[in-house]
Amino acid sequence: ETGVTQSPTHLIKTRGQQVTLRCSSQSGHNTVSWYQQALGQGPQFIFQYYREEENGRGNFPPRFSGLQFPNYSSELNVNALELDDSALYLCASSLTTVNTGELFFGEGSRLTVL
Amino acid sequence: AQKVTQAQTEISVVEKEDVTLDCVYETRDTTYYLFWYKQPPSGELVFLIRRNSFDEQNEISGRYSWNFQKSTSSFNFTITASQVVDSAVYFCALRSDSNYQLIWGAGTKLIIKP
Repeated sequence: ETGVTQSPTHLIKTRGQQVTLRCSSQSGHNTVSWYQQALGQGPQFIFQYYREEENGRGNFPPRFSGLQFPNYSSELNVNALELDDSALYLCASSLTTVNTGELFFGEGSRLTVL
Repeated sequence: AQKVTQAQTEISVVEKEDVTLDCVYETRDTTYYLFWYKQPPSGELVFLIRRNSFDEQNEISGRYSWNFQKSTSSFNFTITASQVVDSAVYFCALRSDSNYQLIWGAGTKLIIKP
């Protein structure tokens, strides 16, 4: 067990709604990144936060946004949900932005958009 | 452009057989890092190994071994004497110094039959 916890574990939304996913990083880790993993595919990088600032972003539209709090926990917000947003959303924490080390992942939040 | 290819979608073997998972990568960077992660049905990605581009030594950890060959841009993973608990999806990933994000392969689903 990595110590990274995510909530909720499962949720169902309808198209057009908004969702907030939460992540508590491993103790002492100041960097959080979020990934989207569609069924049968590898994770896709959404963005990374370091000390409450976004410092890297993948190819996702602005309706995907995030926050990192002073305790290094994080939120992923998705507005105007689309059917293709259905996926497992994974949060990973690490010690620095350099990321030459390993990422510690949570078990993910599985989002279904109907 | 960076890319990771895991050509084997699914592999099924009988327990105690050896099995090799292939990973081929593309990058123009001279400094980069390669990773293998395991994803059991619970969804949590578990770090297995990291290799940097300057270290081509093969590594063995118990029943696991990794063969890194820059000449063929491959970073293959072998499980010796496989066990049912090894059943999972295995991902190969790439990160370069010029980019924070991990680039993931599509994964190989490994099924070990008793």
